[in-house]
Amino acid sequence: DTGVSQNPRHKITKRGQNVTFRCDPISEHNRLYWYRQTLGQGPEFLTYFQNEAQLEKSRLLSDRFSAERPKGSFSTLEIQRTEQGDSAMYLCASSLLWETTNEKLFFGSGTQLSVL
Amino acid sequence: AQSVSQHNHHVILSEAASLELGCNYSYGGTVNLFWYVQYPGQHLQLLLKYFSGDPLVKGIKGFEAEFIKSKFSFNLRKPSVQWSDTAEYFCAAFFYGGSQGNLIFGKGTKLSVKP
Repeated sequence: DTGVSQNPRHKITKRGQNVTFRCDPISEHNRLYWYRQTLGQGPEFLTYFQNEAQLEKSRLLSDRFSAERPKGSFSTLEIQRTEQGDSAMYLCASSLLWETTNEKLFFGSGTQLSVL
Repeated sequence: AQSVSQHNHHVILSEAASLELGCNYSYGGTVNLFWYVQYPGQHLQLLLKYFSGDPLVKGIKGFEAEFIKSKFSFNLRKPSVQWSDTAEYFCAAFFYGGSQGNLIFGKGTKLSVKP
């Protein structure tokens, strides 16, 4: 499968624990996005990278959320001191930006987080 | 602020009925528009997109959408739905020149097609 890969598919954790999710984008894609989706809502943008540079992170929900893409390939999203309100589907998407106004995102299957 | 609105939360149709899902956006600048579909248990898939040119765009599985700039709308249509079209449909937009670089989604419309 050469699509966007996310691991794990499901994560159950206790409140207060830290969790980390991984996203492997389509190999030649230079942009990588993280979204969060809760029931009954559309995906909500969190942050994105162009290669290894994090170009937008002001939409991260709190300082407990952080993301990295150290070598411009895979990315990780970490949530520290999880809260029950963090329970959601976390989606990763990637794109090949070759024209500024002609970008198309490909989404992974997501990581479903449940905080008990 | 830029936003995308989908007015129908849940639409129920019988097979062969025609479909139109509404989508409006708020922004006066350059915008790229998308419809994504999420079948039960599957990831988001691109249904169709509008970047420029012909405002009537055709996507996969017989879907089409029309960009009407004066109405800030990008409604999704299909003349005859099938049971397999049961899914959630999301309208989304890239707004260029404003908040840079992120795709903003509407809340989604759940479509249920009765056989």
